[in-house]
Amino acid sequence: DAKTTQPPSMDCAEGRAANLPCNHSTISGNEYVYWYRQIHSQGPQYIIHGLKNNETNEMASLIITEDRKSSTLILPHATLRDTAVYYCIVNLFSGGGADGLTFGKGTHLIIQP
Amino acid sequence: DSGVTQTPKHLITATGQRVTLRCSPRSGDLSVYWYQQSLDQGLQFLIQYYNGEERAKGNILERFSAQQFPDLHSELNLSSLELGDSALYFCASTRIPGGRTEAFFGQGTRLTVV
Repeated sequence: DAKTTQPPSMDCAEGRAANLPCNHSTISGNEYVYWYRQIHSQGPQYIIHGLKNNETNEMASLIITEDRKSSTLILPHATLRDTAVYYCIVNLFSGGGADGLTFGKGTHLIIQP
Repeated sequence: DSGVTQTPKHLITATGQRVTLRCSPRSGDLSVYWYQQSLDQGLQFLIQYYNGEERAKGNILERFSAQQFPDLHSELNLSSLELGDSALYFCASTRIPGGRTEAFFGQGTRLTVV
């Protein structure tokens, strides 16, 4: 699986957009980028995923660079409930070999009131 | 609510003992995954089952075993427990193995070995 690099922590003011970066320079052409988050020891929660194009859903937007070597998760209007550890994962459930998620350390996002 | 149910929520047991953790996947999901999360290791993939068959193994110790039953629920058995086995254990399910689909996680079982 391609590895990812994320900043260990970030702060964001409540109501502002939170932009979480992820580097995945070794990603291959058929690998997807997934984002999950974990709120204080709860089970991880799926946020969004994408391959090449930018994606948006009710929770967030995912911007993937043209060379696919990095991506940014955007929470448009962060609330206190968005405080969590955010994981960027590449090559989730590829169908070959082990299908288990490979979690890194993630980014601890703290929303400040 | 993810639709994945794990029991029990909390478990305290002594070293050397054996415990069983249970997971009921989301309705219609055929694949189940087990993960361990300890303070110093982060989330570690243990094992995956699909429709009753073992599909993939991760960092699972020989003292640990799992199975998936015909009704698709899964059990993770931990034996000869050590203090270092204290952790959160999560179960996740997906509709199919592989593919590009999201995983749904349960709320976990917190195991404390004393």
